[in-house]
Amino acid sequence: DTAVSQTPKYLVTQMGNDKSIKCEQNLGHDTMYWYKQDSKKFLKIMFSYNNKELIINETVPNRFSPKSPDKAHLNLHINSLELGDSAVYFCASSPTPATNEKLFFGSGTQLSVL
Amino acid sequence: AQSVTQLGSHVSVSEGALVLLRCNYSSSVPPYLFWYVQYPNQGLQLLLKYTSAATLVKGINGFEAEFKKSETSFHLTKPSAHMSDAAEYFCAVSGADSSYKLIFGSGTRLLVRP
Repeated sequence: DTAVSQTPKYLVTQMGNDKSIKCEQNLGHDTMYWYKQDSKKFLKIMFSYNNKELIINETVPNRFSPKSPDKAHLNLHINSLELGDSAVYFCASSPTPATNEKLFFGSGTQLSVL
Repeated sequence: AQSVTQLGSHVSVSEGALVLLRCNYSSSVPPYLFWYVQYPNQGLQLLLKYTSAATLVKGINGFEAEFKKSETSFHLTKPSAHMSDAAEYFCAVSGADSSYKLIFGSGTRLLVRP
C-alpha cells in the first residue's frame, strides 16, 4: 500500500563500486524525482522525469544516471562511487510537473560509501 | 531564481508552548510556498502550501502559516506544541516559471521539552 517505495533502505558499499537504487510509485502520477539530502539535512533536487522524459537535470556528475522504464518507476544508477556520494537519497512523485503540486516522498535510501 | 532561508537550525519549546519556525524567501516571480515535515527515518510529508489564494494557510496537525509579501516571509506556527511535533521542518519555494523545481531550505529541527 506504500505510495512511493524505494529500495534498498540502506546501502553500504566501497569506493569505486557501482550501485542502483530503485523507486516505484503506485499513485498514478506522471512525474517522479530524485533528491539528495546531505549530512546537514540540505535537500537538493537531482533529476525529474515526466512520463518517462527527463525534464530536470541539475548539475550532477555523469556518474549518476537515472532511468525511467515507465512512468511508475524511476531508478538511479551510480557508477564509481565516491566518499562524497554518501547521503540519503529520496525518490518523490507528483501528479504533474506543475510547480504548485504536492510531492509525495519515499522513506529514503541511506547510502554510505566507505 | 528562487531561494529559501530558514532562521535557526534548532528550535526548542516546551510542550504546550507556541511554535514559531521562520522562513524567508526570495523569488523573481510570484512564489508558491510549502512547509514539509520529516520525522526520523521517514520521507518528507506536506504540512501546508500557499499558492496565491488566501494568505493565511491552514495545514495538518494544527499548523498554519501566513504569507507576507512585504516581509517576504512564510513563517510556520502552531499555538500549542505536542511531543509528537518533534521533527525536522523544511520550507520550500517554487515559482510559476518553467523550471518545475522545488527549492528547499536547510531545515529547522523542532525539539519539544516535556
